[in-house]
Amino acid sequence: EAAVTQSPRNKVAVTGGKVTLSCNQTNNHNNMYWYRQDTGHGLRLIHYSYGAGSTEKGDIPDGYKASRPSQENFSLILELATPSQTSVYFCASASDSSNSDYTFGSGTRLLVI
Amino acid sequence: GQQVQQSPASLVLQEGENAELQCNFSTSLNSMQWFYQRPGGSLVSLFYNPSGTKHSGRLTSTTVIKERRSSLHISSSQTTDSGTYLCALDYNQGKLIFGQGTKLSIKP
Repeated sequence: EAAVTQSPRNKVAVTGGKVTLSCNQTNNHNNMYWYRQDTGHGLRLIHYSYGAGSTEKGDIPDGYKASRPSQENFSLILELATPSQTSVYFCASASDSSNSDYTFGSGTRLLVI
Repeated sequence: GQQVQQSPASLVLQEGENAELQCNFSTSLNSMQWFYQRPGGSLVSLFYNPSGTKHSGRLTSTTVIKERRSSLHISSSQTTDSGTYLCALDYNQGKLIFGQGTKLSIKP
């Protein structure tokens, strides 16, 4: 079954440390996205990619980097984690035709202390 | 200002009642999407609706671009419908702007 899998499910990180959130999809979708969900803000787009080797900045990219080494994998990197990056992070994939097949992962809950 | 506004923020109904959720947007769009989110869980796509009315079981989505609104209607609600419903505006190649959600509670 086609799916989007995120790892880890939960993560506790130290302020100033490096954090990598991973996402793998078996949908064979070209497009992949990283969102964060916070109370009072809803979901907001951090980075996205339209194919292997490409990444683009979303609406709130500051403090984050992204990497798309292959069709299946899309990572979100926090080089210097801060407490303000404590959030729930969702990865999603969609085809590049109509995006009517948006599929989300189960989320990663990140706590930066 | 906020480009996608959802209402109501929360809704409590008795099982069997109908639910009407609204989403208003202030920018142009390619499509409106509706998602369902269980508490602490992932998002499940309900509708991709660029315009007009779409049906799926007890759910109906209507998007009226001229009026800059989209709605989600749930008929004969069930306790398993409880959760958060999110609308999202697809403004460019799958990039979504989300509303803040409607938390729906269905009491038995």
